[in-house]
Amino acid sequence: AQSVTQLGSHVSVSEGALVLLRCNYSSSVPPYLFWYVQYPNQGLQLLLKYTTGATLVKGINGFEAEFKKSETSFHLTKPSAHMSDAAEYFCAVSVPDSNYQLIWGAGTKLIIKP
Amino acid sequence: DAGITQSPRHKVTETGTPVTLRCHQTENHRYMYWYRQDPGHGLRLIHYSYGVKDTDKGEVSDGYSVSRSKTEDFLLTLESATSSQTSVYFCAYWGGGYTFGSGTRLTVV
Repeated sequence: AQSVTQLGSHVSVSEGALVLLRCNYSSSVPPYLFWYVQYPNQGLQLLLKYTTGATLVKGINGFEAEFKKSETSFHLTKPSAHMSDAAEYFCAVSVPDSNYQLIWGAGTKLIIKP
Repeated sequence: DAGITQSPRHKVTETGTPVTLRCHQTENHRYMYWYRQDPGHGLRLIHYSYGVKDTDKGEVSDGYSVSRSKTEDFLLTLESATSSQTSVYFCAYWGGGYTFGSGTRLTVV
């Protein structure tokens, strides 16, 4: 069965520092992979996705993620954190032949220190 | 609003009453989903739809039913609301990824 593990329920970085949010998955077949962001009292918004092709994927707001099949990872990075990046981030993986159901990680709350 | 709206945005209801939440999309997408989001539990799938009148259960479907009589509308009904159904409810459609509505905050008292 598919699963998604996000390391760290809370990650704190200083403004201007590198952001690294970790996501590992298990899947029996090559999956589709997603990162979503949720700001307080809002819905989830797609940051970026990997389906096929280039393994380094660029998303909105300067975020990017790299699909590493050998490590079953899809970590999210941003070179320089901004105060506006404070939010909760969710990693998700598709379930094959399931009408596009996704398995979700538990989420990582990103805290930006001034 | 990315072509998907939920109503109402907030609702307080009494235990034992039926409640219907509405999700409306303007993008003509086939696949739609209802989730609940609770602290410590993340996102959990309640029901989903793969077409008009075609629906199936998710992992937490007990106490909930859905209907999809038109492509654009996906309704979630709590048949007899309980306090454990106090939550934030999100709907979404699949269009190469999920696009979510803004959510409905439901409180059952």
